[in-house]
Amino acid sequence: DVKVTQSSRYLVKRTGEKVFLECVQDMDHENMFWYRQDPGLGLRLIYFSYDVKMKEKGDIPEGYSVSREKKERFSLILESASTNQTSMYLCASSLAGLAAPSYEQYFGPGTRLTVT
Amino acid sequence: DAKTTQPNSMESNEEEPVHLPCNHSTISGTDYIHWYRQLPSQGPEYVIHGLTSNVNNRMASLAIAEDRKSSTLILHRATLRDAAVYYCILSKSFGNEKLTFGTGTRLTIIP
Repeated sequence: DVKVTQSSRYLVKRTGEKVFLECVQDMDHENMFWYRQDPGLGLRLIYFSYDVKMKEKGDIPEGYSVSREKKERFSLILESASTNQTSMYLCASSLAGLAAPSYEQYFGPGTRLTVT
Repeated sequence: DAKTTQPNSMESNEEEPVHLPCNHSTISGTDYIHWYRQLPSQGPEYVIHGLTSNVNNRMASLAIAEDRKSSTLILHRATLRDAAVYYCILSKSFGNEKLTFGTGTRLTIIP
């Protein structure tokens, strides 16, 4: 079974802190994704990566950065956390290739981040 | 990008079939149709996907209209465990692995 794990289920940080959210997958997937989920807004893509050291902006990248130094690990960084970044953060991974749009994404359990 | 429209919520009785509709009137000829669901307190999970023909797997069936402007996810015999938010998503066929999730349909199963 594919496993996507996230470093924390719950996290509380203060405004202005630097926050690292870690995601690890164990299926040698090329693609990795970070989403945030807010009530009434569904899931929104923040960043994704299709290879080590490669990254692409999603729909809402402002206030976030990412790092992918190893294939299995994709980190989301909040340089200076703000209260409007309080949200559920979900990581996902998938295969890449010519048939990539038909490959399913596997999601982690999510990290509920509260910024006070 | 083509968008999807789903009802905000639906209810169904346990052990009865459930038909979850999705409209995607601006779908392009090569867009895939995906369905994911999200159980309470979990990340989304893949249910099924298709391109033109109807599809069946162990979880559900996907019925795609002939003009591809709509599709229906069919749960043949709903259980309480099927209570979740169901997302209908389109993805481009080539060079784009991104999925754009909407707000989905919240399915409630009545015992």
